[in-house]
Amino acid sequence: GAVVSQHPSRVICKSGTSVKIECRSLDFQATTMFWYRQFPKQSLMLMATSNEGSKATYEQGVEKDKFLINHASLTLSTLTVTSAHPEDSSFYICSARGLGSSDTQYFGPGTRLTVL
Amino acid sequence: EDKVVQSPLSLVVHEGDTVTLNCSYEVTNFRSLLWYKQEKKAPTFLFMLTSSGIEKKSGRLSSILDKKELSSILNITATQTGDSAIYLCAVGSSNTGKLIFGQGTTLQVKP
Repeated sequence: GAVVSQHPSRVICKSGTSVKIECRSLDFQATTMFWYRQFPKQSLMLMATSNEGSKATYEQGVEKDKFLINHASLTLSTLTVTSAHPEDSSFYICSARGLGSSDTQYFGPGTRLTVL
Repeated sequence: EDKVVQSPLSLVVHEGDTVTLNCSYEVTNFRSLLWYKQEKKAPTFLFMLTSSGIEKKSGRLSSILDKKELSSILNITATQTGDSAIYLCAVGSSNTGKLIFGQGTTLQVKP
């Protein structure tokens, strides 16, 4: 149980294009999903928290117009990196937390984004 | 400011050794402490601890929380090369509902 999928696993794009990453909870309903970014040899940096049916809450320093988050259903959240630039190249990971008050987050396999 | 600190940052051992990883925290309205293992992809969940002094165990891995000392340890006995990974500690706050991650401990187990 508690499986989270993420698609695509790897994407290479040209500078200026937009990239959409999907995060799905496969066997549970996720009231809250989180989007993280991870640089090499560093820990996870929370970008935003998204609750189903409401606007995402972004962490300080994260541009909401650049990283668009949509949480349209209890099993799907999307992150769109708009007008991507090489400095946006990173490993993006989503996580999902189910109903109830547990803090346990289950992570997707991550998306490696490379912007040329 | 809330923070989670792990030590050591990296560790190299040989198969069969026992290792102890440390996590200390200063978090407002502590609710839980979680351990994750990260290999090449995203973290996989190991344990969630909420009560002090109660050991959680899964195979060769075990963990315990000490709320008085604001810390937790993760023990791995009889290490194997497959235990090589980054071990992440995270603390949940009832204030924010978010997890605050430590820097991680990189464990390398040599044959």
